[in-house]
Amino acid sequence: DQQVKQNSPSLSVQEGRISILNCDYTNSMFDYFLWYKKYPAEGPTFLISISSIKDKNEDGRFTVFLNKSAKHLSLHIVPSQPGDSAVYFCAASRTTDSWGKLQFGAGTQVVVTP
Amino acid sequence: GAGVSQSPSNKVTEKGKDVELRCDPISGHTALYWYRQSLGQGLEFLIYFQGNSAPDKSGLPSDRFSAERTGGSVSTLTIQRTQQEDSAVYLCASSLGHTQYFGPGTRLTVL
Repeated sequence: DQQVKQNSPSLSVQEGRISILNCDYTNSMFDYFLWYKKYPAEGPTFLISISSIKDKNEDGRFTVFLNKSAKHLSLHIVPSQPGDSAVYFCAASRTTDSWGKLQFGAGTQVVVTP
Repeated sequence: GAGVSQSPSNKVTEKGKDVELRCDPISGHTALYWYRQSLGQGLEFLIYFQGNSAPDKSGLPSDRFSAERTGGSVSTLTIQRTQQEDSAVYLCASSLGHTQYFGPGTRLTVL
């Protein structure tokens, strides 16, 4: 069963505008969430994370929001740049389960157009 | 510093043959993970090692898959009697805390 879902397989956004990527999860035991970016033929690159004790974490152009009651998180990228074109994966883990294995969503392909 | 490295970067094999995939984690990282990504799919957890504890093998899809980690560092993922459905990109990650850092992956193609 897919415990982490990214329902939008693709997103197109204009350079300079905001990209909003969404992720839903079903397991209420997840307490740590991460976003990764992946270019073709490369491994995923860590972007930003958030613990369940927070509802927002910001790092430069990237902000992650967590809504525990809705079991929903989102990644905001502003302003979007052409180099942001990649596949973005949402991941979740249970840190109480040792360091925990990551459960990944299927990914969202972001294309930033000039 | 050096990141996670994996070898080979590409492997083409014939159905029924055994393959070994290697992962060199970031120095000092105590946890090591294997995932795979099949075409058009997300990343699927396979196995993880944490220090000297017994590995979590709950994601291995069949008993043809095994992995070991020698000396708490390098890991080898072995797939015996490969099948066409084993074709995927196999990714290794390591961590010291909650954040996992990934290698570039090994693309396995089973003909």
